This record gives sequence, C-alpha cells and structure tokens, in this order.
Amino acid sequence: KNEVEQSPQNLTAQEGEFITINCSYSVGISALHWLQQHPGGGIVSLFMLSSGKKKHGRLIATINIQEKHSSLHITASHPRDSAVYICAVRLLTGNQFYFGTGTSLTVIP
Amino acid sequence: GAVVSQHPSRVICKSGTSVKIECRSLDFQATTMFWYRQFPKQSLMLMATSNEGSKATYEQGVEKDKFLINHASLTLSTLTVTSAHPEDSSFYICSASIGTNYGYTFGSGTRLTVV
Repeated sequence: KNEVEQSPQNLTAQEGEFITINCSYSVGISALHWLQQHPGGGIVSLFMLSSGKKKHGRLIATINIQEKHSSLHITASHPRDSAVYICAVRLLTGNQFYFGTGTSLTVIP
Repeated sequence: GAVVSQHPSRVICKSGTSVKIECRSLDFQATTMFWYRQFPKQSLMLMATSNEGSKATYEQGVEKDKFLINHASLTLSTLTVTSAHPEDSSFYICSASIGTNYGYTFGSGTRLTVV
C-alpha cells in the first residue's frame, strides 16, 4: 500500500468545470505539497500546506490533518490546466518525501 | 520567487559514458538539495539527499558509486550518472529546500536517454 493515495488517477473535464483532486496519506507529516507536472516533465510547486486552506488564483488547496486528507480544487478549468497533479507529503522527521502517483487532468475546450 | 535551474533538459548518451546533470539555485542558498528519478508512468522516487559540504545520503537501492552527487557550494549540486546503461534512461529532477517554512522548489528536470 502506498503511503500517499490520489484519486482519481485520470480526469477529463470540459472547459469551465470545477475540478477536485483528492489525496489521502497514512503517515505523520510536517507538510503536504501539491505539484503540477506538464507533459514536458517540468514540475511546478503549487502549494505547501500544513493546515487549513490556501488559494492562488483559480486554485484552492485544503488539508484536514486529523483525517489525513487534502484536496486540490480548480475553478473555471481551462485547457492550459491540463497536466499531472502530484500530491507529496513530507514526513515529520528528516527530509523524506512520499509522492502520490499523480492525477492526469485533461481539460477539453 | 526561488528558482532552481537544471541543465541539461534533455541528453542522449551512449552506453558506458557518463552524464552530468547540474542544479543551480539562482536567488537563494540551498544547503540541501534532493535528487529524484521518475520512470514512465510512475511517481517520483527520491534517490538521494545532497548536503552542501558533506557526503550525500542515498536511498536504499540507489548505487552511490553509479550516481555521484557533488554539492560543493550553496548554489550548485551535480548528479553524475557513471557508466550509463539503457535502464538508467529516466527523468531526473532536483529540488531544493528554501527553508522549513518556505517549502521546496523544483528544477525543470532532465530527460536522459541512454542508447
């Protein structure tokens, strides 16, 4: 069993739709990251969360530490949002990260 | 914001040769850098943690004599894949810590193909 589970694995949406990607983890963490990986491979760090909620533009990330769950929401989705979204958790001690296998999002015009 | 520049973005090399990948922090000092590998359709896997001025810490199963990591300055870490084999073909990416409260930033990755 992976320490970090993401759902769904693949997601296709129409432009303008509200999108939610979920991440559950089973270990104690100091922080959770949401990353965006474009087809060329480059990775962009979207959010780092240790509690509550963060918003950046059309992206919103929430985390519930007690339930060990985080969600990434995209409002008014756009084709340029098409990418793989990866949830990564940093363990309480040290620098070890565990990564989810990613959610591949395709937004259709 | 904090930027990590990674070069090259793509490299093709022959079996048996060595390839060096550089990660440079452009506007901050990175005392710790992390090297990851990603095989097709798989998640990122941590290979090693690189600390400035000391030996890198390798994850289980990663050959330290094959993947040489040097972190000689606060702004540069290098990963050298020695005697590359086709099974080393992968996507390699680095990240750097920009302070406990500031998270991590990632390089743009290097796609290595060994022929």
